[in-house]
Amino acid sequence: NAGVTQTPKFQVLKTGQSMTLQCAQDMNHEYMSWYRQDPGMGLRLIHYSVGAGITDQGEVPNGYNVSRSTTEDFPLRLLSAAPSQTSVYFCASSATGRDGYTFGSGTRLTVV
Amino acid sequence: RKEVEQDPGPFNVPEGATVAFNCTYSNSASQSFFWYRQDCRKEPKLLMSVYSSGNEDGRFTAQLNRASQYISLLIRDSKLSDSATYLCVVRTSGYSTLTFGKGTMLLVSP
Repeated sequence: NAGVTQTPKFQVLKTGQSMTLQCAQDMNHEYMSWYRQDPGMGLRLIHYSVGAGITDQGEVPNGYNVSRSTTEDFPLRLLSAAPSQTSVYFCASSATGRDGYTFGSGTRLTVV
Repeated sequence: RKEVEQDPGPFNVPEGATVAFNCTYSNSASQSFFWYRQDCRKEPKLLMSVYSSGNEDGRFTAQLNRASQYISLLIRDSKLSDSATYLCVVRTSGYSTLTFGKGTMLLVSP
């Protein structure tokens, strides 16, 4: 039972590079979210989706894009990486949105 | 005012102690409440939901006070393995996303 799978686990980017963080869940959950976690800041919502084809912005969406073409996948794209995007990124999913979310193990991103 | 506030701690307690954490939330329209546990450099994991009538899961008891807008978590008979950061989490009515507190660190010592 894989749950929520995030890849890669670690990534180093140079300023200005782009990349996609992958997130996949095998629980047929409709609701998926991306968070970033920074020291002293807690988890902050970047983007979320309530089903395939539907996405919306969270608290800190600038510099990130998402799409949801299937129920299973919710990739997060960094358009032009900046040092301020150095963080730990978590993807999470939920069946109903009213229940707790299940988190992936995270991607540790460093932008130099 | 922060939406979800917690004392960052750390709370240092000996094994076997009882410890309690509180959390306050600012949005009176909040509908769902949770406690998550996060170990160092790991993902948050759902510890328990918090219901209006209060609920218990083994050594863990959660309480909700809607009038005062605070949530509590009580841990009895603390174990070394309880050492972690405890995140207070709130879902606001009409939204399918969660708002996290910054967490309270618990350190249980032998």
